[in-house]
Formats: sequence, C-alpha cells, structure tokens
Amino acid sequence: AQTIHQWPVAEIKAVGSPLSLGCTIKGKSSPNLYWYWQATGGTLQQLFYSITVGQVESVVQLNLSASRPKDDQFILSTEKLLLSHSGFYLCAWSTTGVNQAPLFGEGTRLSVL
Amino acid sequence: GDSVIQMQGQVTLSENDFLFINCTYSTTGYPTLFWYVQYSGEGPQLLLQVTTANNKGSSRGFEATYDKGTTSFHLQKTSVQEIDSAVYYCAMRVRNSNNRIFFGDGTQLVVKP
Repeated sequence: AQTIHQWPVAEIKAVGSPLSLGCTIKGKSSPNLYWYWQATGGTLQQLFYSITVGQVESVVQLNLSASRPKDDQFILSTEKLLLSHSGFYLCAWSTTGVNQAPLFGEGTRLSVL
Repeated sequence: GDSVIQMQGQVTLSENDFLFINCTYSTTGYPTLFWYVQYSGEGPQLLLQVTTANNKGSSRGFEATYDKGTTSFHLQKTSVQEIDSAVYYCAMRVRNSNNRIFFGDGTQLVVKP
C-alpha cells in the first residue's frame, strides 16, 4: 500500500527566515505530486505539481518554490518567510489520469511570527 | 474559467437529520468530480468520486450524483451522526487540464447530539 509522509508536523518560524518542508511517497513509482496551501478556515489552494523528477510546474507561487529531487520526494521552500505564509501545507499524490483523485498527507502546520 | 462553487459556509444539523450540501461546477471540459472530507487538524480524505455524467458515487452513507444538466454534484446523507462533523470540499479535475484540481470553499458541517 502507498503511504505519504510529510515533515515536519509543525513549524514556528520568524519572518524573513528560510523554510523547507518535505513530502515522501512510498509504495508508488512515478507518482504525480502536488503541494497545496490552506489558510486557517480557508479552502485548498494548489501551489505546484510535478509529474516527474526534476520537473515542477507552478500554479500559484506565493513567493515559494518547489523541487522534486527524487521520484518519491517533493520539497517546498522559500528563502524568506512572510507573515502571509502561515497556514497548513498539504502534499498529495495521484497516479496519472484525469480520473485519479489526489490523496493527501497529514499536513504541516506553519506559524510565521 | 474552471471553478467549483459551494455556497453554504456552514450547515448545522441534529443527529439523524438529512444532509444536503450544494456544489455546482463550471467548465468547458470533461470533469471528474470529487467530495473530500477534512477533520480538524488533518489532511483531506477522499470521500467519493464520479467520472461519468449522470452516475452516482457513494461511500459511508454519503451519495452524490454528477448531474451534467444542472452542472451540480450535491452531497447527501439520509441520517447524519455527530462523527460526521467536519469540513466537506467539492472538487473537480478536468481533462486536458488534469494536473489542476479545483476545490470549492468548503462547507463546515456541525452535527449536534
């Protein structure tokens, strides 16, 4: 069975500090990977997606970047955090195809102070 | 453009009440439609999906019918329980744009004992 794991579970960071969030998928080769952001009480905003290693497409950047260094790994990062980056970051995966539902990880809660 | 609309921000019911959550979608393409459920502090879970127009999806007592005529995908449950309290998201994935998944704003369901 496939599993998806995000790290860290939660972060408290200062404005202007760097950030790196990670996501690993086990049990599935060549998954499609996605990053979403959710403001407190808000909807899910798709940020990035990747269909293969080394390729990442931006949907909404929000002064963030993403990379896919390995088939099973997706990284979200920024060099300088803003207050507006606070929220819940969710990684998801799916197989290829319009009928495939993204399946989400447990999320990382980020507070920027 | 492609979009998903959920007009109800919050629905409050008592146990054993009938649940109806509105969802309408807009696209010129061929969508697959999903309902996700998100419990507090967790990532969204796939509840059900429907690929083909006029088909119904069901899971855990929840049902939704993909109505192409009215471009709707309303969620229903005959008898809600307190454990159903969560946020419900309607979502859409469109052929030829299949790495973009559009989410509605979510509907908070509160079920009182």
